[in-house]
Amino acid sequence: GEDVEQSLFLSVREGDSSVINCTYTDSSSTYLYWYKQEPGAGLQLLTYIFSNMDMKQDQRLTVLLNKKDKHLSLRIADTQTGDSAIYFCADLYNAGNMLTFGGGTRLMVKP
Amino acid sequence: DVKVTQSSRYLVKRTGEKVFLECVQDMDHENMFWYRQDPGLGLRLIYFSYDVKMKEKGDIPEGYSVSREKKERFSLILESASTNQTSMYLCASRGTLTGSYGYTFGSGTRLTVV
Repeated sequence: GEDVEQSLFLSVREGDSSVINCTYTDSSSTYLYWYKQEPGAGLQLLTYIFSNMDMKQDQRLTVLLNKKDKHLSLRIADTQTGDSAIYFCADLYNAGNMLTFGGGTRLMVKP
Repeated sequence: DVKVTQSSRYLVKRTGEKVFLECVQDMDHENMFWYRQDPGLGLRLIYFSYDVKMKEKGDIPEGYSVSREKKERFSLILESASTNQTSMYLCASRGTLTGSYGYTFGSGTRLTVV
């Protein structure tokens, strides 16, 4: 089946850029997503990218997709303490109905 | 604003109790999902439903059952709660025609079984 992998932990200083990486195995993926989970809360959709795109920018967020290498990244510019959370990447597969989630990357932002 | 509502944020139940976790969505979505989230294990799919009265097992269905009598409501049932079912439970929904919008999640229910 589909497998989505992320590193577990990332620590950055406030004001720096954060880059969270994700790899996936399903070459037929149509959409890829980034979700944010704040402590004690559910998952909130941050952004997504269609598989025929290389890049998508949305304010401080930049998503890069390398379809050849099956690599997805989320860059957060000017990272703030409020960005501290767990970030999940997810891949839409199985006739477009199921998401497979990565294990989540915990981002810690130090003042 | 579209919503997925889980009935409880926190629950404490005793071992052996029957536990119902309720999830309601107001988006007329066909597909609904139950996940559990544990540290270091990410999100694991318990059950999902793609229509009323339809259900499919996910990756870890043992010890759980589900009910979908109405389109907007998807219930997760722990027939006899055990301490290893202490976890965060997340409900999500998705419409078949929602294209890019992935899943919408509820706020989660943190269940403790003592």
